[in-house]
Amino acid sequence: AQSVTQPDIHITVSEGASLELRCNYSYGATPYLFWYVQSPGQGLQLLLKYFSGDTLVQGIKGFEAEFKRSQSSFNLRKPSVHWSDAAEYFCAVISYGQNFVFGPGTRLSVLP
Amino acid sequence: EAGVAQSPRYKIIEKRQSVAFWCNPISGHATLYWYQQILGQGPKLLIQFQNNGVVDDSQLPKDRFSAERLKGVDSTLKIQPAKLEDSAVYLCASSVAGNRYNEQFFGPGTRLTVL
Repeated sequence: AQSVTQPDIHITVSEGASLELRCNYSYGATPYLFWYVQSPGQGLQLLLKYFSGDTLVQGIKGFEAEFKRSQSSFNLRKPSVHWSDAAEYFCAVISYGQNFVFGPGTRLSVLP
Repeated sequence: EAGVAQSPRYKIIEKRQSVAFWCNPISGHATLYWYQQILGQGPKLLIQFQNNGVVDDSQLPKDRFSAERLKGVDSTLKIQPAKLEDSAVYLCASSVAGNRYNEQFFGPGTRLTVL
């Protein structure tokens, strides 16, 4: 069965520190991969997506993610975190003929 | 460009009562989705519309949930009767016509509490 895992439920980093949020998926076919961010009381906003081509994709707000087929991973990174990045982050996956599947989310807290 | 609108933002009801949520997608977006997001989990797709037709409702609990999109624009999601486990945020999203790989734009959600 298709699944998406985000091993870290909650991560705390200091402002200015680097960030990496993990995402692993289990799919039979090549999936399309997304990262969304959800701020409190807000809807989900797309940060970036990977369909094909260059495995390192750039997104909004200074985020990037790298697709590693051998590891079935699509980790999200940011070199320097800002206090406004505190939010819930969701990895999502879809493949042909399947529904959109979201991971359980990782909550990011940022220390001043 | 106006985003996806949802109302109400919050709703508290007793179990066995009925409730309805409303969604107005981004103008011109033919595809509309309803998701259920239980606390601590990612959103789960309930139903997908293409214009006013249902594309996928395989995860919609049809014994108590119903949804419609009569004129291919606004949509309503109804729960009747509600159960405690229906407490969640209900998210509406829309995308341009086409396949599911198009970017989905999400509304702020309706937080439902069933007592």
